[in-house]
This record gives sequence, C-alpha cells and structure tokens, in this order.
Amino acid sequence: KNQVEQSPQSLIILEGKNCTLQCNYTVSPFSNLRWYKQDTGRGPVSLTIMTFSENTKSNGRYTATLDADTKQSSLHITASQLSDSASYICVVSARSGNTPLVFGKGTRLSVIA
Amino acid sequence: NAGVTQTPKFQVLKTGQSMTLQCAQDMNHNSMYWYRQDPGMGLRLIYYSASEGTTDKGEVPNGYNVSRLNKREFSLRLESAAPSQTSVYFCASIIQVYTGELFFGEGSRLTVL
Repeated sequence: KNQVEQSPQSLIILEGKNCTLQCNYTVSPFSNLRWYKQDTGRGPVSLTIMTFSENTKSNGRYTATLDADTKQSSLHITASQLSDSASYICVVSARSGNTPLVFGKGTRLSVIA
Repeated sequence: NAGVTQTPKFQVLKTGQSMTLQCAQDMNHNSMYWYRQDPGMGLRLIYYSASEGTTDKGEVPNGYNVSRLNKREFSLRLESAAPSQTSVYFCASIIQVYTGELFFGEGSRLTVL
C-alpha cells in the first residue's frame, strides 16, 4: 500500500535555530515529492517539488533533500522565524494509479521566541 | 489571478440538512480534488476529477457527491449532513498530476450540529 510517514509529529524550537523534518514513503512507482507549508486556518502552499533525479532543492531558508534509493526526504529549515510556525506536509506522487497523490499527516512546527 | 476559490468559507448545518460546497479555478487546470482535513488525520481525498466530464471516488467518499460542472468548477454536495462530516474541506487543482503544481483553496469550515 502506498504510504507517506512523517516525523516528528510535532516539534518546538527556539527562534533562530535550525530544524529538520523527515518524510519516508513507500509510494511506487515514484514520480515526484512535494513539500507544503500550511499555516493555521489556511490552505497548503507549495515549498518545493522534486523529481527522481533531484537530490536537493532550496527555496530561501527551506532546503529539501531526496534519497530515492532509501525512499526518504527531509526538509531543513535554517535560522527559523516565528512565521515558520505551521504544519509541513509531504506529498508523494505515483507515476500511475487512480489516486496518485499520497499525503503524509504533517509535522506541526512551533517556533517560539 | 484568483487561483482556487472556495465558497462558503464557513457554514453551520443541522443534522440531515443538505448543502453544496463550490470550487472554481482560473488556471485552466485539468484535475480537481476535494479533501477533508481533521485534527491528527491529515488531508484525506473525498472525490477527484481527473479531467472535465470524469469523477472518481477517493479514500472517504461516503456521504458525498460531486459534480464537475465544466473545466473550471467542481462542487461537493452533502445530501444529508451528519456530525461526522464536521471538518475543514479543501479544494485543489493541478494541470498535470505527475509533474504539475497542486494549488489549494483557502478551505471551507463546516460544522454539523
């Protein structure tokens, strides 16, 4: 069964610190992996999208990595800000199938002063 | 550019009442989706429309119906609302599921009493 597991479920860090969120998946055949940021009460917004051939992709202070061999991805946030407080959702797309988008349950990040 | 627009943003219903959530996108996207999000559960697919004229069930379709009215609009109907359908509903669209960007609406918060 295609699944996406995210860890940790929640995380609290101090402003200015770095953190790394994990995403493990069993989706096959793999097409791409997306990271989304969802602020409370808002719709998810895309941070990055990575295909099979991409190992790293950055978007400002957000850097996503992908290891297609081990089926793992991480999202690294550098010099965290209070505005980074949100849920971060990993979404993996299969190359075929009726419901190719598989969502993780998200990591809830709280950045405190 | 409005992106994905959902209406209404908030709705309170009594058990047994019916209502329709509306979704429209102005990006000429082929595929549209309805998700529900509950605390601790992540985003779960209710129904989707891979292209104009087609609809398919997702992970949690019971109690819902959909209509892909045209390429722009995809509505979600609750025929007889139940308290278990209290949730936040998100509409999303994508031009091509294996490579494109998935855009979400801002959500519709539904409470069934």
